[in-house]
Amino acid sequence: DGGITQSPKYLFRKEGQNVTLSCEQNLNHDAMYWYRQDPGQGLRLIYYSQIVNDFQKGDIAEGYSVSREKKESFPLTVTSAQKNPTAFYLCASGERMINQPQHFGDGTRLSIL
Amino acid sequence: DAKTTQPPSMDCAEGRAANLPCNHSTISGNEYVYWYRQIHSQGPQYIIHGLKNNETNEMASLIITEDRKSSTLILPHATLRDTAVYYCIVRALSSGSARQLTFGSGTQLTVLP
Repeated sequence: DGGITQSPKYLFRKEGQNVTLSCEQNLNHDAMYWYRQDPGQGLRLIYYSQIVNDFQKGDIAEGYSVSREKKESFPLTVTSAQKNPTAFYLCASGERMINQPQHFGDGTRLSIL
Repeated sequence: DAKTTQPPSMDCAEGRAANLPCNHSTISGNEYVYWYRQIHSQGPQYIIHGLKNNETNEMASLIITEDRKSSTLILPHATLRDTAVYYCIVRALSSGSARQLTFGSGTQLTVLP
């Protein structure tokens, strides 16, 4: 079945550590996105990529980094510079064509120990 | 992107139609209306989208008023599994670009047995 796979589902980080969240899609979508969701709030865009080897910052990119070496993969690294990393992280992908929707993975919940 | 207004919560009896309203009075001609839903601790699920004509798929129907200033998502026979937060999003797309989705507060739909 086609879809978006995020792993792990739950992730714990110690203070000062970098952690990487995985996102893989087999929908053959060009565009991929990372969002952050805090309790009771909407989604905020961290980074997005419209094509391999290219990505742009979203509204809250500070403390995060990404790479897009393959069309299928868009990993997100939460660095130690991100002071409030505890959140629900969502990866999405979509076609670049007009009006096509984004599709989401089931998310990774990151907590600080 | 145009701002949307949704009621914060609604109840619906199981087996009945759920009608979720959305106001987007500042919508412009090139903006689509999208509906997503999010079940607790899962990623948002795409439901349906439209520009000006009414749309129907296997999940729901989307009714857009003639002036496009409001829309209604209809779940024809609500089940307990339809309990979720429903988001109405208005989004403009230009050719060749892929922009972020802006999720507001949404409507918490509770389907009652």
